Amino acid sequence: DTEVTQTPKHLVMGMTNKKSLKCEQHMGHRAMYWYKQKAKKPPELMFVYSYEKLSINESVPSRFSPECPNSSLLNLHLHALQPEDSALYLCASSHTSGRAYNEQFFGPGTRLTVL
Amino acid sequence: AQSVSQHNHHVILSEAASLELGCNYSYGGTVNLFWYVQYPGQHLQLLLKYFSGDPLVKGIKGFEAEFIKSKFSFNLRKPSVQWSDTAEYFCATLGKVSNRLAFGKGNQVVVIP
Repeated sequence: DTEVTQTPKHLVMGMTNKKSLKCEQHMGHRAMYWYKQKAKKPPELMFVYSYEKLSINESVPSRFSPECPNSSLLNLHLHALQPEDSALYLCASSHTSGRAYNEQFFGPGTRLTVL
Repeated sequence: AQSVSQHNHHVILSEAASLELGCNYSYGGTVNLFWYVQYPGQHLQLLLKYFSGDPLVKGIKGFEAEFIKSKFSFNLRKPSVQWSDTAEYFCATLGKVSNRLAFGKGNQVVVIP
C-alpha cells in the first residue's frame, strides 16, 4: 500500500467553526507532513512530525493545531480560521533515514473553503 | 538552506512537441532532487528523483531528467508531449537534516491538441 489518504476531500466552514482534517498512511513511514497549497502555487510546508513528535512548525498561526495520535495518523485541527486560509491542504509521509528513502508521498488533499 | 528555481513558468506547446523545463538548485553539497507533477484537480505525483549515480534519470510517463553538476541544473525533458501532459510541474530539493522539501515556483504546461 503506497497510498496516503485524506479526509474529507472538501470542507466548507465558517470562521467560528471547529473542524479537523485527517490523514492516514500504512507504509511504515515515521515522518508525516502538512502542507498548504494555494492555486497555481507550490506547496508550503506547515508542520513536520517525526516519530510522532512535532519537529518543525513553520511559524504557523495557532488557529492550526496539528496532532499525531500514532505513527499512521496525522490530524490538523482548525479553529477560528480566516477566509485567506482557504486552500488545498496536503498531507505527506516519508521514511526518516537513508537518503534514498526520503521521497515524500502525497495525499490527494482536502480542499478547504472558509466563509 | 537548499533551494531550487524554475523559469518559464507558463509553457504552451502542441502535441508531439518536445518539452524541457529548467531547474537550478543552490549548491549545498549533497543533492536530493525531485520532479513532481500535479494534473488538474489531482494530487502531487513523483515523476523522478536523483540522489546519486547515473546523472540521466528515467521517470514515469516517458519523462527524464539530467543532473548536470557543473551547471547546478536538473532539467526535465520529454521528447514528445501529449495533451494529457497538461499539468503543473514542480522541481524540489530536500534539506539534508530536516526533511524539509523546498519546491520551485512551478511550471504550468498546457499542451494543445
